[in-house]
Amino acid sequence: DTGVSQDPRHKITKRGQNVTFRCDPISEHNRLYWYRQTLGQGPEFLTYFQNEAQLEKSRLLSDRFSAERPKGSFSTLEIQRTEQGDSAMYLCASSTSGAGEQFFGPGTRLTVL
Amino acid sequence: SQQGEEDPQALSIQEGENATMNCSYKTSINNLQWYRQNSGRGLVHLILIRSNEREKHSGRLRVTLDTSKKSSSLLITASRAADTASYFCGGNEKLTFGTGTRLTIIP
Repeated sequence: DTGVSQDPRHKITKRGQNVTFRCDPISEHNRLYWYRQTLGQGPEFLTYFQNEAQLEKSRLLSDRFSAERPKGSFSTLEIQRTEQGDSAMYLCASSTSGAGEQFFGPGTRLTVL
Repeated sequence: SQQGEEDPQALSIQEGENATMNCSYKTSINNLQWYRQNSGRGLVHLILIRSNEREKHSGRLRVTLDTSKKSSSLLITASRAADTASYFCGGNEKLTFGTGTRLTIIP
């Protein structure tokens, strides 16, 4: 399968714990995006990378959130000291720069108890 | 980012009928994209229309873009049960979506 993959698909954690999600984009795509989606809402942009450079972070991304793409391939999104309000689906997408079309992964559903 | 706002919020039609949903946005765009999301899944790209295009077709999909009104419409012809999903629009690079149009096709 050459699509975008995300791991894990589901994560249940207790409030205050740290969690890390991984996204593997389509191999030739140099852009990688993270979005968050809560129930009944559309996805909200969080951040994006071109190769290993993080080009923009949304103001939605508090200090507790950090994303990396160290070698310009896979990316990780870490949430520290999780809160119940962090419960959401975290979506990753990739694209080639300038192409427009983004390919989304299946998402990681986070539940914070 | 360019936020799209989809309208209506919900739409139910009989299988075989056409479905039309609309998108409005606030600032200038280079392109506008439509995506479909089945329940609990990731988004699937449907079609992209550039700012210098007025209409585009892809299979049963027809998209129009009116940059003077900052609006777009998505028409799905001859709807099928498998078209039941939420539909979102977004512009440019950092997609920011509204709450989507939830389309239900009644068999």
